Amino acid sequence: GQQLNQSPQSMFIQEGEDVSMNCTSSSIFNTWLWYKQDPGEGPVLLIALYKAGELTSNGRLTAQFGITRKDSFLNISASIPSDVGIYFCAGQLTSNYQLIWGAGTKLIIKP
Amino acid sequence: GAGVSQSPSNKVTEKGKDVELRCDPISGHTALYWYRQSLGQGLEFLIYFQGNSAPDKSGLPSDRFSAERTGGSVSTLTIQRTQQEDSAVYLCASSLMGQSIYNEQFFGPGTRLTVL
Repeated sequence: GQQLNQSPQSMFIQEGEDVSMNCTSSSIFNTWLWYKQDPGEGPVLLIALYKAGELTSNGRLTAQFGITRKDSFLNISASIPSDVGIYFCAGQLTSNYQLIWGAGTKLIIKP
Repeated sequence: GAGVSQSPSNKVTEKGKDVELRCDPISGHTALYWYRQSLGQGLEFLIYFQGNSAPDKSGLPSDRFSAERTGGSVSTLTIQRTQQEDSAVYLCASSLMGQSIYNEQFFGPGTRLTVL
């Protein structure tokens, strides 16, 4: 099925570093969502974006809805060990409830 | 309050056998979704329920897959004559209402299915 292009696939960073990941699509979305999934758990919503150009923060996380409505990025500042996990972007089309998912960015923090 | 629960958490089965996966949504949530997550991939939409009705079954990969929901609550995903390519984590989510961009989907922990 349709998927978003999410990059990078994985990131190895030092604790305290900033992290950036993004998603692009050939389709226009009305909503962009960012989720985090821990091992053995389902995804948990981090940030929801509803308007083109919108910039939203949730603690150390900041996400933006691209002006073209075809892309979004997520930044994590000053990473800490509990940030490890897989981050997914998901876009929602106007016409229905279905979420189209990226393949995920695996965040690993080097000891 | 209780979140979305799924059972079993792990299921190992032999090729050709049927399996049933269960989802208990958050109480009061009218919308329920099933997704499949293969290793290293994002989530693949399978089916959506609004109440007991499934207005969209387009994501079901084949006619071996079926799902039902009873009493507007519990849902069961059934896979008949399982194949090795069915091995994946099956996630269930529920939301207060469907068909709205503002309705957050809450996910269960998933059922890891392994077909030998």
